Amino acid sequence: QMQLRESGPGLVKPSEPLSLTCNVSGGSVRSHYWSWIRQSPEKGLQWIGYVRDSGTTNYNPSLQSRVTMSLDRSKNQISLTLTSVTATDTGLYYCARANYDTLTADHHLDLWGRGTLVTVSS
Amino acid sequence: DIQMTQSPSSLSASLGDWVTITCRASQNIRTYVNWYQQRPGEAPRLLVSVAAVLQTGVPSRFRGSGSGTDFSLIIAGLQRDDFVTYFCQQSYSFPWTFGQGTRVEIK
Repeated sequence: QMQLRESGPGLVKPSEPLSLTCNVSGGSVRSHYWSWIRQSPEKGLQWIGYVRDSGTTNYNPSLQSRVTMSLDRSKNQISLTLTSVTATDTGLYYCARANYDTLTADHHLDLWGRGTLVTVSS
Repeated sequence: DIQMTQSPSSLSASLGDWVTITCRASQNIRTYVNWYQQRPGEAPRLLVSVAAVLQTGVPSRFRGSGSGTDFSLIIAGLQRDDFVTYFCQQSYSFPWTFGQGTRVEIK
């Protein structure tokens, strides 16, 4: 059974880049869409974007200028980089599989990791 | 961006009660709403997709409905495991957006 596990530095200084990794076990990153979502008490849940196994990406316009997502097929990992972070980027960051249902033409986030907490502070 | 207004933000209920959580979209999103359950410290769980499709393994007491702008998640007979947080999400257009969540507490 596929599982996702996020990892990252935990604490990041303002203006520095944040880099997170999502390790996929029990299955392959191929043939799926992979999303990052973050959650904070102030903003609730915010979709950051997705990356497809082809490498195609789709980012939230509010974060697009600072976000990069990629896949590493050899390591079965998905990565997220967010540049120039501020305190407002503090939150719990989730990796999730965005399953695309061809019958309904719908995406839904059918598998999530437990999240990794990121705090932006000097 | 499409706004998803979820209500109530919290509710208190007893075991066996039926509860309804609603989400209102800021525009017509057909049936492109998904519902999730979130337990503290655990991975969120997809309950319902495209407004009404119950996911495999999800108990039948969870029921989704709605189309257009108004959507509901009904829990028909609360069980102890159900006293957690629920949120909706629209997948009609990018960026995908979420409701603010509903915390279901035991009375």
